[in-house]
Parts: sequence; C-alpha cells; structure tokens
Amino acid sequence: NAGVMQNPRHLVRRRGQEARLRCSPMKGHSHVYWYRQLPEEGLKFMVYLQKENIIDESGMPKERFSAEFPKEGPSILRIQQVVRGDSAAYFCASSLGGDNQPQHFGDGTRLSIL
Amino acid sequence: QKEVEQDPGPLSVPEGAIVSLNCTYSNSAFQYFMWYRQYSRKGPELLMYTYSSGNKEDGRFTAQVDKSSKYISLFIRDSQPSDSATYLCAMKDSGGGADGLTFGKGTHLIIQP
Repeated sequence: NAGVMQNPRHLVRRRGQEARLRCSPMKGHSHVYWYRQLPEEGLKFMVYLQKENIIDESGMPKERFSAEFPKEGPSILRIQQVVRGDSAAYFCASSLGGDNQPQHFGDGTRLSIL
Repeated sequence: QKEVEQDPGPLSVPEGAIVSLNCTYSNSAFQYFMWYRQYSRKGPELLMYTYSSGNKEDGRFTAQVDKSSKYISLFIRDSQPSDSATYLCAMKDSGGGADGLTFGKGTHLIIQP
C-alpha cells in the first residue's frame, strides 16, 4: 500500500494521559500536514512539517500539542494531558511539496477521551 | 463570515441525475481549489485539483472556478449510488502563503437507486 498510513486507527485515552498519533507519508513524499476534524466541524489545518523541520504551525494549539517529523521514521503528533475536547478525528496528509502538488490523506486516527 | 461556506445538505438525488455541489469563499488570495470525497470513517480522497479560474473535466466530474464571484462548483454526471458520500471543497493561496488547506464543512450527498 503506497498511500498515507496512519496508526492507530482508533485510540482511547483517559483524561490526563498522553496520545501519540503516527503518520507515514506516501512513498516519495517529504511534506506532511496534520488536520483535525471535530464533530460537525470541517477539517482544520494544524501543522506542516518537512523532514526535521516545522514549517508552519499556525493551526496548532499553543499548549499540550506538538509535532515532529524525524529524519527516519513516521511523523508524530503528540498530545499531552488530554482533555475531553481533544476527542476528534486526526488526519495526516502528504505531498511532494510546492503549490501545484496536491495533498493526499490517510484514513485518520479517531481519538476518544474518557 | 466563515472563510469557506458550503451547504451541509443532505442533498438527495435519483441515480443518473446530474449533481451540482458548490462553495463560496471570502479570501481573494486563494488560488488553488480542490474537491475531496470522504466516505464514512475514511480519509478525504482527492477528486479534482484546479488552479485559478476555469473548468476542468475528469471522467464524470467537472470542476468550475469563478474567482470573480469567489464561487466554485463540482458537477457529477450520471450519478451512481457509489457516489453517495460527503464532498469537501478545499482551497489554498500561493507564493509563500499558508500551506494548510482551508476546507468547507462538506456536503452530504445521497444518490437514490
């Protein structure tokens, strides 16, 4: 499967725990984007990364959220001390980079906070 | 005013009908326009990707962009039950602007057999 791979597909955490969401981009893609989809809301951009660099994090909440895309391995979206409001579907997209390159999405991680 | 407006539907049409889906936007800096299809519990799947104004056709799908009116459309010909899904419009600016896409909330489409 050469598509964007996200895992886990479903993640359940209790309030105060940490959530780690992983994303492996399409083969050959080095640009990764994270989005969040809240119930009854559209997809909202969170952060854009290239290998080892955060390019645009204008959509990231200022606290508890962080993202990385190391030289080796998948991109990670990390949420510390989760709260009920963090329950959502988190989608990762990847592209070749550049304005004329479309973003292709994975099937998301559905995070539920108990 | 939201940046991208999209009627959530549901829009229900009989099989074989022509479907028209639309979005309006307020940010004149948007240059790239996309339509994605999203099935339940799945990720968005890219259908059409267009730059600036004009039409683009791919099989049964036609995308139209009217930048002067800040209005984009997706037409689906010979609609099939398998086209039943949520359709998301998305857009972005260019030349060093934000790299993230701005999405509409999506239109839920139902094709009746």
